[in-house]
Amino acid sequence: EVQLVQSGAEVKKPGESLKISCKGSGYSFTSYWIGWVRQMPGKGLEWMGIIYPGDSDTRYSPSFQGQVTISADKSISTAYLQWSSLKASDTAMYYCARTMVQGVDFDYWGQGTLVTVSS
Amino acid sequence: QSVLTQPPSVSAAPGQKVTISCSGSSSNIGNNYVSWYQQLPGTAPKLLIYDNNKRPSGIPDRFSGSKSGTSATLGITGLQTGDEADYYCGTWDSSLSSAVFGGGTQLTVL
Repeated sequence: EVQLVQSGAEVKKPGESLKISCKGSGYSFTSYWIGWVRQMPGKGLEWMGIIYPGDSDTRYSPSFQGQVTISADKSISTAYLQWSSLKASDTAMYYCARTMVQGVDFDYWGQGTLVTVSS
Repeated sequence: QSVLTQPPSVSAAPGQKVTISCSGSSSNIGNNYVSWYQQLPGTAPKLLIYDNNKRPSGIPDRFSGSKSGTSATLGITGLQTGDEADYYCGTWDSSLSSAVFGGGTQLTVL
């Protein structure tokens, strides 16, 4: 069974760093792209970027380039999304999802990680 | 402002049919495949349609997708109360070199 299991909810202060994770199982982790999608409270979906764990090829949305870092460790089938300095506006639900091709055909999704940034 | 434009809300009675539009441009919908997602309250999105009109395994044929020019449409027939959700279109944007989603449409089954 294909599963993407994300790390738990986080509460952070502005300026702090954070790295959340997404562990894949039940399929060849290096053969699919993993994407990250942001959903701010009460708002729509925003495509942040994707990574191909097989070779770490990474693409970012222009809106998120330089704001976050996407990485993966194929030895443990885990992808990451990290911030070096959080802002209150980073408060959102973050989903990871799997796609065969670079794009938006995400067939399996993680359960989401809620990140709350507040002083 | 989303690159793809969807109506904020649509509604219809149980058993009826509804369509949800998604309007873009030649850099996105016009030259790339469109996907559609259903997001039930408090849950992760679910892929309903990919490659404009294909349904993943397990998605009932009540859900259909089409594309014409720079617009795409999601159709849902035989509406059920369980279809009440937010629906999103998405595609690749060649100008942005990034995927984009529409702003989402809230479906109410009256």
